[in-house]
Amino acid sequence: RKEVEQDPGPFNVPEGATVAFNCTYSNSASQSFFWYRQDCRKEPKLLMSVYSSGNEDGRFTAQLNRASQYISLLIRDSKLSDSATYLCVVNPASGTYKYIFGTGTRLKVLA
Amino acid sequence: DVKVTQSSRYLVKRTGEKVFLECVQDMDHENMFWYRQDPGLGLRLIYFSYDVKMKEKGDIPEGYSVSREKKERFSLILESASTNQTSMYLCASIQRGGTSSYNEQFFGPGTRLTVL
Repeated sequence: RKEVEQDPGPFNVPEGATVAFNCTYSNSASQSFFWYRQDCRKEPKLLMSVYSSGNEDGRFTAQLNRASQYISLLIRDSKLSDSATYLCVVNPASGTYKYIFGTGTRLKVLA
Repeated sequence: DVKVTQSSRYLVKRTGEKVFLECVQDMDHENMFWYRQDPGLGLRLIYFSYDVKMKEKGDIPEGYSVSREKKERFSLILESASTNQTSMYLCASIQRGGTSSYNEQFFGPGTRLTVL
């Protein structure tokens, strides 16, 4: 089993739709969680951290479910500019910087 | 504006050549990383450095070495390039300390290396 698993997609959704991605992780002791966004041929950039209580940033909502070992990203009112690959990133242990990256979920928002 | 820069965006080398990839960050970050990104495999950590002259192996260090002589610069060296090292190479840096579990990694633009 991979340490961090994501559905590669692509998820093709119309503008204005709501879309959700999940990411599962295998290490129950994992400490911190992130969603990064990567545009085609560009570097990854932090979209949002995922806190235990869940957090929201505009149209984006991230949730953590420790019991089932997954994190989720919800995008409401999708825009064309949301088209990108979304990377799930897990820090498996406190005091380490050896982040584990998922392979990414590709989103295409269609006009 | 924070910045991580990499010496080349595209590089073509021949099998057996020694290849140097340079990364510079201007954020005074202690920690720097080298990853490679391949389709279907995601980002995999090659090496990271937590201070000048300090380094630690990542998940796939074979065939690579690194150098960190100055805080702002982290170099990746392919001692004898092989075709299976054709990949996108990404450098990143992160601030240590504070609420370090949630510190953001900043990435360079990447170097697409092709080994013929």
